[in-house]
Amino acid sequence: QVQLVQSGAELKKPGASVKVSCKASGYTFTSYDINWVRQATGQGLEWMGWMNPNNDNTGYAQKFQGRVTMTRDTSISTAYMELSSLRSEDTAVYYCARTVGSGSDLDYWGQGTLVTVSS
Amino acid sequence: SYVLTQPPSVSVAPGKTARITCGGNNIESKSVHWYQQKPGQAPIMIIYYDYDRPSGIPERFSGSNSGNTATLTISRVEAGDEADYYCQVWDSSSAHRVFGTGTKVTVL
Repeated sequence: QVQLVQSGAELKKPGASVKVSCKASGYTFTSYDINWVRQATGQGLEWMGWMNPNNDNTGYAQKFQGRVTMTRDTSISTAYMELSSLRSEDTAVYYCARTVGSGSDLDYWGQGTLVTVSS
Repeated sequence: SYVLTQPPSVSVAPGKTARITCGGNNIESKSVHWYQQKPGQAPIMIIYYDYDRPSGIPERFSGSNSGNTATLTISRVEAGDEADYYCQVWDSSSAHRVFGTGTKVTVL
């Protein structure tokens, strides 16, 4: 069965960077894009961007341009999302989710990773 | 950027029908996907491409899309349907995925 398993919770200081991983199983990793979505406590879903594990192409939401980097390691079917220059407003649960193409739905989601930014 | 507007909350009695709207400019020209999120859990996809249901999602959930409004309909509402619901589209002009503002469904 398809699974996306994310790394554990992180506590970071303002100005630092965080790298969250998302390990895929149950399907061919390079056949689906990986998207990243975040959700602050009590708030809605916010799309951050996508990555194509087959060719390493990426597309980032304008809000995160310059601060986010999405990468992958195909040898271990794992995608990564790194967010830099962290501030308190970045405190949120970060999800990875799979899509088959630009217009498609996010059909499988990871369990989420809580990133807390606090001094 | 493209904006999707949902009502913040919808309340419905058990056994009745809940309708959740998702408003966007000429949204009928886009494919709309719907997600259900229960407290402390990741979202799950319940409707894709306007009205298709993935396996395992009850037939009580249905979707439509016309004009400037897409609608998620939940028939014969059950207590277990209490959750937040989000619509989502792909905005080709910005190459961004966009989520609606979210609707909290409360079962009375």
